[in-house]
Amino acid sequence: DGGITQSPKYLFRKEGQNVTLSCEQNLNHDAMYWYRQDPGQGLRLIYYSQIVNDFQKGDIAEGYSVSREKKESFPLTVTSAQKNPTAFYLCASSTGDRASYGYTFGSGTRLTVV
Amino acid sequence: KQEVTQIPAALSVPEGENLVLNCSFTDSAIYNLQWFRQDPGKGLTSLLLIQSSQREQTSGRLNASLDKSSGRSTLYIAASQPGDSATYLCAVKRITGGGNKLTFGTGTQLKVEL
Repeated sequence: DGGITQSPKYLFRKEGQNVTLSCEQNLNHDAMYWYRQDPGQGLRLIYYSQIVNDFQKGDIAEGYSVSREKKESFPLTVTSAQKNPTAFYLCASSTGDRASYGYTFGSGTRLTVV
Repeated sequence: KQEVTQIPAALSVPEGENLVLNCSFTDSAIYNLQWFRQDPGKGLTSLLLIQSSQREQTSGRLNASLDKSSGRSTLYIAASQPGDSATYLCAVKRITGGGNKLTFGTGTQLKVEL
């Protein structure tokens, strides 16, 4: 079955530590996205990539970094510069730049600072 | 700036009742609107995608309408079941602002009681 796989499901980070969240898709989608979800708030866009080796900052990119070396993979690194990283992180993909296409989401990674 | 509002924030209904969830958006310059379902601690599942040129979409007991000129969408759920209990999110894909980005509402938390 085609879909998006996020790992790990739960992640614990110590103060000052960088952690990387994995996102892999086998849908042959060109575009991939990272969102952050906090209680009582809508999803907010962190980074997105419309093609391999290219990515753009979203609305809340500070303290995060990404790479897009392969079409299937779009890992997100939460750096020590992110002051409040505890949140639920969701990865998504869509077929491409066509405006008519919808999004497919992964099952999420819950990150907690300990 | 596009803002998406969902009312009510929470809703509790008895099983079998028909119900309507509301979504409003401030900028009518959108490509499409997508309704998602999110179970606690899980990712988003796409329910319906309505293109800006369409008025409604149907899938089983779900019917979503779109009135772009007034900035409104509704999700109608017929004959509700306890398994429909979840948070329902709407998201619009905006034309302005660059990139292939969605703006999300904060969701309606639905509980269907036996």
